[in-house]
Order: sequence, then structure tokens, then C-alpha cells
Amino acid sequence: EAGVTQFPSHSVIEKGQTVTLRCDPISGHDNLYWYRRVMGKEIKFLLHFVKESKQDESGMPNNRFLAERTGGTYSTLKVQPAELEDSGVYFCASSQVGQGKIYNEQFFGPGTRLTVL
Amino acid sequence: RKEVEQDPGPFNVPEGATVAFNCTYSNSASQSFFWYRQDCRKEPKLLMSVYSSGNEDGRFTAQLNRASQYISLLIRDSKLSDSATYLCVVVAGTYKYIFGTGTRLKVLA
Repeated sequence: EAGVTQFPSHSVIEKGQTVTLRCDPISGHDNLYWYRRVMGKEIKFLLHFVKESKQDESGMPNNRFLAERTGGTYSTLKVQPAELEDSGVYFCASSQVGQGKIYNEQFFGPGTRLTVL
Repeated sequence: RKEVEQDPGPFNVPEGATVAFNCTYSNSASQSFFWYRQDCRKEPKLLMSVYSSGNEDGRFTAQLNRASQYISLLIRDSKLSDSATYLCVVVAGTYKYIFGTGTRLKVLA
């Protein structure tokens, strides 16, 4: 079974540009999450989708970040315009209650490493 | 105060040693706890869940102390392949993972 995939693996952009990150969850997983790790800090929750609906976006830093999950399959996270402090690793995770070995187990993708210059 | 606190290490131990990590959390209402392992520049992967009764998987033992609000991970007979960062995860509500900063372990030959 394919795991969570993310694209691109790396992105280097200049301040003020726009970047769109993509996440493909494990097939059949209704729950999709975005997390972010900035340099030297812990991984932090950004938001949670259940199918195509945003369940919780309390972790989104500001309105320069926009997440979508049209059709309830893959998700995109757009940063516009990017700022220096947006640099970090963006992880996507997915889960499905009852289908994981452990209740609440989230399966993580390899992450997108974003560098804003 | 951070919601989940871990000693960042690094812990440098010889092969065969026993090493223990602790993690404290601030929300007494938390119900689910996990240890994830993260190799350098890779994604976090579930190592084991943590129960009040303790959870053992081979050389790994995880324990939860609700009264003191900490969880622990014990690794016995350390292997070189155990070198990684160990992330403490506390679940807020039913799905929101709250991570610690991670504890780096390096097992030396």
C-alpha cells in the first residue's frame, strides 16, 4: 500500500513569491493533516481536514496560508506571499479511524522542505 | 511553558546500553500518547503507543504516569540502528498531535 506522498520534496523561493505544496494521503483516508517544523522548534499542527471540510484550522499562522482539499482526496497548501519565517519542513499526515493499527495513528509523508530567501 | 517537554539530548550511549527518555505534558485531560521515531530528514514513524498499564515491544517499553503527567520510553540493549530522534506525542482532543521537540539518540559502536 502506498504511503502519504508529498510534492515537491524541496522548494527554494524568494520572499514575496508564491509556493504551493501538495499532499496525497493514503487511499481511503478521510482525515488529512498539515504540520510544520521550523528550524530548532517542534513540529506544530496547522490544520485538519475531514474529507473536503476543514475541521480545525487553528494552527494556521496567518492569512497568507491557504489549504484546500477539493473532492476530499489530495490537498494543497499555498503560501502567498512567502516570508522568510515560513521556511521549514511541511509535513502532511493522514489517518482513518478503525483502519490503523492504533486508534488515532497518523501516517506521515516525507515532508516538503521550504526555503524562503 | 510548552505543552510537551522533552530533553533534546543528544544522548550518546554505547551499543548494548539501556537508555531512558522522559517527556512531560501540561494538559491533564490528554487521553492518547505516542512515541514516534524520526530519522534524519525523514518522516516521523510510529514507534509505539503508551498506556497506563505499560506497553512493551521487544527491546522497547513505554510507560504513562498520569498523576505526574509524564511518559517514558526505555530502550534496552541499544543497537546502532536505534540512532534517531524520538518524538513524544500527546493527542489534544481526538486528533491534534502535540509534539515535543524530540530527543536525539546516538548509539556508538
